[in-house]
Amino acid sequence: NAGVTQTPKFRILKIGQSMTLQCAQDMNHNYMYWYRQDPGMGLKLIYYSVGAGITDKGEVPNGYNVSRSTTEDFPLRLELAAPSQTSVYFCASSYLKPNTGELFFGEGSRLTVL
Amino acid sequence: AQSVTQLGSHVSVSEGALVLLRCNYSSSVPPYLFWYVQYPNQGLQLLLKYTSAATLVKGINGFEAEFKKSETSFHLTKPSAHMSDAAEYFCAVSDQSRNQFYFGTGTSLTVIP
Repeated sequence: NAGVTQTPKFRILKIGQSMTLQCAQDMNHNYMYWYRQDPGMGLKLIYYSVGAGITDKGEVPNGYNVSRSTTEDFPLRLELAAPSQTSVYFCASSYLKPNTGELFFGEGSRLTVL
Repeated sequence: AQSVTQLGSHVSVSEGALVLLRCNYSSSVPPYLFWYVQYPNQGLQLLLKYTSAATLVKGINGFEAEFKKSETSFHLTKPSAHMSDAAEYFCAVSDQSRNQFYFGTGTSLTVIP
């Protein structure tokens, strides 16, 4: 019963490097989300997807890209990492629309950009 | 646009005392409201949700929240705090038109033995 799995859990990047945060869910959920969490700021939505092949921007999409080629996977790509992208990133999924359903979160990926 | 405001970024209570975490919302349409809990080094999990049924909502671990439209509030309470309640609590409101949640900035609860 894995739920939402995120990898890696920790990563240190140098400025200008790129990387992909992986997210996979085994609950056959249509909706998937990427959030970033910064101290005192709560969670901000980066991108979301309502199904395979469909993605849309959230509140803070700049500097990130996503793809959704399968129902299970929703990777987040960071191009040209900047110190402002130091954060904890959470992937989440839901079966129903978020206004009626429950979001299931992964355990997070802590990224530091130096 | 919808938003939530959580009053008090840090709350401390003694073990056995009442827990009260405050949340006020702003919404131009009837909202759906949620409380999530985050234990250290973990993701968020749903405590309870209000989706226009009963105004007093009961959740897991003895928590409950009351929707008060006149006060635009959705405060979280628990009659008697337990050490295991120490965590970060987030209030959230849903945007029905855009399939998104909006989270508050969180309240860190400390339980003093």
